[in-house]
Amino acid sequence: AQSVSQHNHHVILSEAASLELGCNYSYGGTVNLFWYVQYPGQHLQLLLKYFSGDPLVKGIKGFEAEFIKSKFSFNLRKPSVQWSDTAEYFCAVNAWNTGNQFYFGTGTSLTVIP
Amino acid sequence: KAGVTQTPRYLIKTRGQQVTLSCSPISGHRSVSWYQQTPGQGLQFLFEYFSETQRNKGNFPGRFSGRQFSNSRSEMNVSTLELGDSALYLCASSGSGSAQETQYFGPGTRLLVL
Repeated sequence: AQSVSQHNHHVILSEAASLELGCNYSYGGTVNLFWYVQYPGQHLQLLLKYFSGDPLVKGIKGFEAEFIKSKFSFNLRKPSVQWSDTAEYFCAVNAWNTGNQFYFGTGTSLTVIP
Repeated sequence: KAGVTQTPRYLIKTRGQQVTLSCSPISGHRSVSWYQQTPGQGLQFLFEYFSETQRNKGNFPGRFSGRQFSNSRSEMNVSTLELGDSALYLCASSGSGSAQETQYFGPGTRLLVL
């Protein structure tokens, strides 16, 4: 079975600091990779996704993620965080062609201090 | 388009009872997935329905069941509730259920089992 690990459970940053959230998955086959975000009081929404091609993908609100196949990683980055980035971030994986059976990490809670 | 809606939003039950949760996907979406979200476990996949058929199933006991209707609306049922079933239950929909599609999440139903 697939699994997803997010090693940072709680991250606190000051505005303008750079962000990197780790995500590692375990699965031997081809995968699709996603980052979802849950802002306080809002639904989960997609930040970005990777299926194939350029391993550096850009998402909404200045976020990007890099897929490193050899490390089974899909880390999320943002060069300069804002207070409005305070949220919970979830990494998710599914196998290439098995429909919508997603495996989510346990989430990273990000607090940005103004 | 209206988003994914879930009813009820909050529910309190006692051990041994059963509960039915409802999810209305975005209009035109045919795939509906259900997740259990708890602080310690993150999001765990329950099952996915596509065109009224269960296509994928997570690792949950048989007390958790679901169904999908011809209009793509879905219900999830939990029988013989246990204290550990207290969680936020999320529903997500996507168009054709392709593994590369974005899933759109609803606000969730928060279930408390006493």
